[in-house]
This record gives sequence, structure tokens and C-alpha cells, in this order.
Amino acid sequence: QVQLQESGPGLVRPWETLSLTCSVSGVSVNIGSYYWNWIRQSPEKGLEWLGYIYYSGSTTYNPSFKSRLTVSLDMSRNQFSLNLKSVTAADTAMYFCARSYSYGHFDFWGQGTLVTVSS
Amino acid sequence: QSVLTQPPSASGTPGQRVTFSCSGSSSNIGNRYVYWYQQLPGTAPKLLIYRNDQRPSGVPERFSGSKSGTSASLAVSGLRPEDEGDYHCAAWDDSLSAVIFGGGTRLTVL
Repeated sequence: QVQLQESGPGLVRPWETLSLTCSVSGVSVNIGSYYWNWIRQSPEKGLEWLGYIYYSGSTTYNPSFKSRLTVSLDMSRNQFSLNLKSVTAADTAMYFCARSYSYGHFDFWGQGTLVTVSS
Repeated sequence: QSVLTQPPSASGTPGQRVTFSCSGSSSNIGNRYVYWYQQLPGTAPKLLIYRNDQRPSGVPERFSGSKSGTSASLAVSGLRPEDEGDYHCAAWDDSLSAVIFGGGTRLTVL
């Protein structure tokens, strides 16, 4: 069955880069039917969609994060990753990776990983 | 404040029918599909309804979705204690060029 698992540091210093990886099993990220997304959740902002990458490598980002966000794909490891630059305390959140068929149609999610931005 | 508006809370007793609302605009719900997610305590969101009113395999028939104009609704019939959690709506927004979520409605089963 399809499974996604986030990994990465739980603590990031302010103004540094937050880097997370999503390991995918049960399906290849190299299939053209799906989009590979990052979503985060905080008590203040609720659920926020950050962006996605397609198997071709093309990306679509939420304009609110576009200047700081990079999502990349590693087909050899069946993973995709998130890099969010210049983080502040406002970036403290639970980060989820998720598969989607189309905009908003997230059918499989990782369990989430909590990232705290603090010195 | 979310672009999609959901009441912060709802409640019901076992066996009752509860309805969740999600209000948007022509740039999102009015011209796009609506999706509903259930988030039980300490877990990731789970897809309940896609494309306004379609249930994924494995989601019980007591969950149903509908859309009218710039609003959407999720109904849960035969309420169970294990339904307690947060319910989120989502849609693409053409003005923001992003997937947006409602603020979520917390369901309490009394």
C-alpha cells in the first residue's frame, strides 16, 4: 500500500534553511498520474498548502512561499524534498507530505513531522 | 482568517445527523471542486470527500458532500463517538493561485 514518511530535523535556527524529506513506498514518484505535495499545519494558520512537484520536475508553489521554497524530486530514492529558506518562528508547524491527483485532492498523507524554529 | 469559512465547532449525540458548512467565493468553491478532510486527534488529515460529493473507497456512506453556488456542506449521519475530531474543507483558489483550506470545524460527540 502507499505510504509516505517525513524526516528531518525537529529544530531549526531562525534565518536558516528548513530541509525535510518525504520517503514514498508502494508507488513510484516517477508516475505521471500524481503530484507530490508539502502541507503544513499550525494552531495560528491552520492547514497551509506549500506546493507540489510533478514527476517531470515541474513545480507549483503557493505564492506566499514562492520566494523561499524549493521542492525537489529524487527518483532514485523514491523521495521528494522541501527546502524553506530564512525561517522564522512563524514557520513553526507540523509539516506533512501528501500525494494528490489534482489541486486539493490529497489521497495519501504522511504522519507529519513537527518542526520548531528557535534559537 | 481563512478564505474558506467554517464554523469553529459543532456537536451532536450518537446516532444524530450533523452538517458542516464551508463558505467561499466565485474564485474558489464557486468554480472549483471542494474536498473534505477528517482529522482525528494526533493524526494526519484523511480524505473524506473529493470533487464535491464523491466518496473514496473505504469511506462509509454515512459521510456525504454537496455544493451549491459558493458554499459546500459535509453531512455525517449516524454519528459515532469515533467521529470526534476536526473537519476541513479545501479548494483551489483562482485569485490566490493556491490550494486553500478552511479553518476547520471541531466536532464533539456528546
